Amino acid sequence: GNSVTQMEGPVTLSEEAFLTINCTYTATGYPSLFWYVQYPGEGLQLLLKATKADDKGSNKGFEATYRKETTSFHLEKGSVQVSDSAVYFCALSINYGQNFVFGPGTRLSVLP
Amino acid sequence: DTEVTQTPKHLVMGMTNKKSLKCEQHMGHRAMYWYKQKAKKPPELMFVYSYEKLSINESVPSRFSPECPNSSLLNLHLHALQPEDSALYLCASSQVGQGLNEQFFGPGTRLTVL
Repeated sequence: GNSVTQMEGPVTLSEEAFLTINCTYTATGYPSLFWYVQYPGEGLQLLLKATKADDKGSNKGFEATYRKETTSFHLEKGSVQVSDSAVYFCALSINYGQNFVFGPGTRLSVLP
Repeated sequence: DTEVTQTPKHLVMGMTNKKSLKCEQHMGHRAMYWYKQKAKKPPELMFVYSYEKLSINESVPSRFSPECPNSSLLNLHLHALQPEDSALYLCASSQVGQGLNEQFFGPGTRLTVL
């Protein structure tokens, strides 16, 4: 079946630290990959996306590269801010987006 | 307009009440979704509508009844809910067809069943 595994955290970092949140997936076929972010009390916002091997998605200083050989899509940011504190979900999509599979989410807390 | 709106933001209901959640988008998307999200968990898919027709029902109890009156609106009718149905209910929309069809989410309705 299709599944997404990610480190669940919580991850606690100091401001300006380097962030990595690992995400690996299992999928039949060739999925599209996403990172969504959920701030407290809000819905999910698309952070970045990639559709094929070696694609790099980037947004707001966050990056992730679609690695087919390791079935991974790790999220990175060079210098986190307090405002990045949120829950981050890795997700894959099959069937042209109508079947999303979410990872369990990683809670990030950034301390000043 | 790249926004999905949901009303109400909060809802408290008793187990004998009937209420409805509403979702609206004006991005021309022809797929719309309902998800249920419990605290500290990822969203769980409940229903998918494609071109206003129900295409996926993830074995959701009949006390949840979805409706898609037109391509911009999605409702979720609630009746005889249980306290364990308390959760954040998220609506999403996406394009349909080939290509990268990311889902756009609304802010959710936080439901409490007493």
